[in-house]
Amino acid sequence: DADVTQTPRNRITKTGKRIMLECSQTKGHDRMYWYRQDPGLGLRLIYYSFDVKDINKGEISDGYSVSRQAQAKFSLSLESAIPNQTALYFCATSDTGLAGTYNEQFFGPGTRLTVL
Amino acid sequence: AQSVAQPEDQVNVAEGNPLTVKCTYSVSGNPYLFWYVQYPNRGLQFLLKYITGDNLVKGSYGFEAEFNKSQTSFHLKKPSALVSDSALYFCAVSANTGGFKTIFGAGTRLFVKA
Repeated sequence: DADVTQTPRNRITKTGKRIMLECSQTKGHDRMYWYRQDPGLGLRLIYYSFDVKDINKGEISDGYSVSRQAQAKFSLSLESAIPNQTALYFCATSDTGLAGTYNEQFFGPGTRLTVL
Repeated sequence: AQSVAQPEDQVNVAEGNPLTVKCTYSVSGNPYLFWYVQYPNRGLQFLLKYITGDNLVKGSYGFEAEFNKSQTSFHLKKPSALVSDSALYFCAVSANTGGFKTIFGAGTRLFVKA
């Protein structure tokens, strides 16, 4: 079974709709992340959480919100979807590691979201 | 400002030849440098990382990368390319600049021709 799972894998929705993307992990990692991938732009960080009670904005958080329901679950919401939020969304996790260090991230398979 | 540059959108190489995928970065403080690979319809997979220590880092699938502090580069290399290495490669840098940041490059598509 995959260590990091995302649901749904594909979603088509309309402008103004509320959408939730879910992420679950079995790696036991404290740190979780949400990214979006757009062609030619690489991945951009939306939100990150270093433990259950910690939520932080990333580079492009406007229009998004998150919830860390448990160590293993981190969901991303689009309160009112707009077409320029059409993208590939990835959840990732990482181990905490030594204080002040950053370890490699493990990615889910992605959710392809289309907003019409 | 923190940034990562992958100057080549695409790299073409013949199977069996050495390959290099370039990455330069700009960050305040100590950088944590990573390479990831993405195959079609898949998430990113970790290849290797530089945290500290030896400038030459060895990773998965025969890949290696050299950290060059003076040139702020972290180029990915492999002595002998395989057709199966064809994929999208991302360089990333993480740092604590008054808060956690991770920046990904735009990606370089590698084509290995048989």
